[in-house]
Amino acid sequence: ILNVEQSPQSLHVQEGDSTNFTCSFPSSNFYALHWYRWETAKSPEALFVMTLNGDEKKKGRISATLNTKEGYSYLYIKGSQPEDSATYLCAPYYGGATNKLIFGTGTLLAVQP
Amino acid sequence: DGGITQSPKYLFRKEGQNVTLSCEQNLNHDAMYWYRQDPGQGLRLIYYSQIVNDFQKGDIAEGYSVSREKKESFPLTVTSAQKNPTAFYLCASSDSPRGPSDEQYFGPGTRLTVT
Repeated sequence: ILNVEQSPQSLHVQEGDSTNFTCSFPSSNFYALHWYRWETAKSPEALFVMTLNGDEKKKGRISATLNTKEGYSYLYIKGSQPEDSATYLCAPYYGGATNKLIFGTGTLLAVQP
Repeated sequence: DGGITQSPKYLFRKEGQNVTLSCEQNLNHDAMYWYRQDPGQGLRLIYYSQIVNDFQKGDIAEGYSVSREKKESFPLTVTSAQKNPTAFYLCASSDSPRGPSDEQYFGPGTRLTVT
């Protein structure tokens, strides 16, 4: 069973704070790492897809890094805003017999104005 | 607007009844997926389809059935054989069949309650 762990489970920060969360995953047969943002009452939306060790991607105030050798990814939010409040899901894609995304349980971020 | 629609948003059924959840996409995507979300767990794959008239079981297919007669549509039937059907169900699609880097596009979900 492939276990994808996200930490922390939830996070409450003040507007303007910078924050980061972690996704840990088994690195064997790993192909790609997806990050999704899921706002309440909306559909999950893709943030980043990364494949290479050392990859770093950025979208506005949000960035992500990938370490495929040790099996982790960090998501950073600089200067959090209330609109960043959401659950952030990571999902590594595995090949071989798995051949699909395996989702973590997510990190719930609440940004207080 | 392109996207995925799921209906209804909330669905209530009596135990022992089959129920079908709708999923439609107008993104011209080949691949479609059904996931289930339960409290404290990640999204789990129920069924997926890479192309019309073809579908494969995911991790938790028991008690579910699907069809893919049209590219745009991938309905999920929750049968009476599903022991714990109450859950939140998400449909998704992606451009090419199960490419590792293809981001998935999700619908808004259907919350099914069976009593």
